[in-house]
Amino acid sequence: EPEVTQTPSHQVTQMGQEVILRCVPISNHLYFYWYRQILGQKVEFLVSFYNNEISEKSEIFDDQFSVERPDGSNFTLKIRSTKLEDSAMYFCARTGLANYNEQFFGPGTRLTVL
Amino acid sequence: DQQVKQNSPSLSVQEGRISILNCDYTNSMFDYFLWYKKYPAEGPTFLISISSIKDKNEDGRFTVFLNKSAKHLSLHIVPSQPGDSAVYFCAASTSGNTPLVFGKGTRLSVIA
Repeated sequence: EPEVTQTPSHQVTQMGQEVILRCVPISNHLYFYWYRQILGQKVEFLVSFYNNEISEKSEIFDDQFSVERPDGSNFTLKIRSTKLEDSAMYFCARTGLANYNEQFFGPGTRLTVL
Repeated sequence: DQQVKQNSPSLSVQEGRISILNCDYTNSMFDYFLWYKKYPAEGPTFLISISSIKDKNEDGRFTVFLNKSAKHLSLHIVPSQPGDSAVYFCAASTSGNTPLVFGKGTRLSVIA
């Protein structure tokens, strides 16, 4: 199955700056997820997004984070004021077309906060 | 609070032999399990999954076994190939568009 694409592949930012990470899915997909992986650690769930609304979010997904689907296609994760500990790989995922229990991940965005 | 555990951080196997990667879980509400393969700086690639109503699922060289009473699953790769060298993640969820909970991964090295 085709996955999703993500941009940028690598983002470097200064602490305190806002970043926007983008996910470009199949146009008729409704259910998406954001995960992150801090270097050397496990992949962690951030938020799920269904039909243009947040469906579920983890403890990590605090007020600094937000998700949107501003134009009906691109799906964005915004971090308002980045911290050093936000440095990680951020992955967008979508559910399978035939099996909603399966999730297919994009290539990720590496975020480096200096 | 590790709901999904992969207790072996690494595994080394000779080419052509069987690789067995193990995973344990603690949450009895999990009813769907997945294995992903991951290379550095890339996204996890879906390999194979299994529902809790089954105890085995096979796809080519990959077979996943589920032991619900032991809350244990394993991924068998036969025969192992050098291209299989990667980090393998076990993940679990409750069915129906719910978030995946991942283990910490096992790094598999297949030696030619």
